[in-house]
Amino acid sequence: AQKITQTQPGMFVQEKEAVTLDCTYDTSDPSYGLFWYKQPSSGEMIFLIYQGSYDQQNATEGRYSLNFQKARKSANLVISASQLGDSAMYFCAMRTGNEKLTFGTGTRLTIIP
Amino acid sequence: NAGVTQTPKFQVLKTGQSMTLQCAQDMNHNSMYWYRQDPGMGLRLIYYSASEGTTDKGEVPNGYNVSRLNKREFSLRLESAAPSQTSVYFCASSLAGPPYNEQFFGPGTRLTVL
Repeated sequence: AQKITQTQPGMFVQEKEAVTLDCTYDTSDPSYGLFWYKQPSSGEMIFLIYQGSYDQQNATEGRYSLNFQKARKSANLVISASQLGDSAMYFCAMRTGNEKLTFGTGTRLTIIP
Repeated sequence: NAGVTQTPKFQVLKTGQSMTLQCAQDMNHNSMYWYRQDPGMGLRLIYYSASEGTTDKGEVPNGYNVSRLNKREFSLRLESAAPSQTSVYFCASSLAGPPYNEQFFGPGTRLTVL
């Protein structure tokens, strides 16, 4: 079975600071993909970043980077220089060889001006 | 390209009524998914379809049925709605992996069962 765990239900961060959102995963499949999505209050799911299990480098997309530690089965999202518009729910997700896609319970991030 | 479309956007049902949520994608994706999201919670997988003609149960399949009508369309049916099925329903699609490319989500259907 595959599982995603996000242990931070909510976080408050000062504007312009960096923030790390935690995600650990569990799967016995050697091939998998890890994703982060942002869900603002409007409700849509916005794709942020992807990391493949065989990728050698940590993924980066603008202010987002994924700190992938395969041995520890963690895939933390790092947002540099946070902005007010970053306030949202953030979900970590994993996809494996059977195409099943599993989400964590999410972290609500609030950026304080 | 419309991406992933879902109909309806909102629906109110009475307990025991049935309805079908429609989902279509125009990106030639193999895999399609149905999720429900309850207030303050993550997305829970109801059913998914790795390719046309196949469907598999997710975490919370009870009370739902699905049909992968063709490569484009994946519908979710509630045969006898219950208040516990009040939720926001998301459809998603993606190319088959690896690599496991991003999933594209529809705008969601907000369902209330009275």
